Amino acid sequence: EIVLTQSPGTLSLSPGERATLSCRASQSVSSSYLVWYQQKPGQAPRLLIYGTSSRATGIPDRFSGSGSGTDFTLTISRLEPEDFAVYYCQQYGSSPPYTFGGGTKVEIK
Amino acid sequence: QVQLVQSGAEVKKPGASVKVSCKASGYTFTDYYMHWVRQAPGQGLEWMGWINPNSGATNYAQKFQGRVTMTRDTSINTAYMEMSSLTSDDTAVYYCARGGGSYAYWGQGTLVTVSS
Repeated sequence: EIVLTQSPGTLSLSPGERATLSCRASQSVSSSYLVWYQQKPGQAPRLLIYGTSSRATGIPDRFSGSGSGTDFTLTISRLEPEDFAVYYCQQYGSSPPYTFGGGTKVEIK
Repeated sequence: QVQLVQSGAEVKKPGASVKVSCKASGYTFTDYYMHWVRQAPGQGLEWMGWINPNSGATNYAQKFQGRVTMTRDTSINTAYMEMSSLTSDDTAVYYCARGGGSYAYWGQGTLVTVSS
């Protein structure tokens, strides 16, 4: 089973600042199968990024993803008030389980 | 538009079973696997497994094997997740999510509370 470790656990930033979230895998993950979700309280997760760097429909371009192998990054270039939420990475390789990282909470400083 | 509508909240006693439904609309139900993900209060997301609505084939996370059964009824475009021998650790929101790679579509979630 591939374990995904997200860091930091909590990121305290102000609107307008840049957020950099890390997702590290215990073994290599195909770039095609690394995704990022955003979740707000009381809501289902929302797909942000698929295939490491492709934005899902309707996702603003301040969100970007990068990485390869075991190290992946989600960057929010300038935080908007609606971006304060929890972010999860997930891998869905050739075989299950399709594991999630533990999440990074982006909170208002 | 694609919609996944789940059944309502449940309260169960320890040792009981629960069956959650997920009704799909806006696409061909048999064209996409249905996945189930759960989230305990204040915790992260946990992948449970998937069902192929076309064939009925399933794949469960090892943690849930023997306790979870995923089924479907193609006549009403509905997937089900049944879990037995519930304990307080199973208290969580259970989500269905349409497969096909990443999860672009999710149900609204079903809160299952296990309490004596």
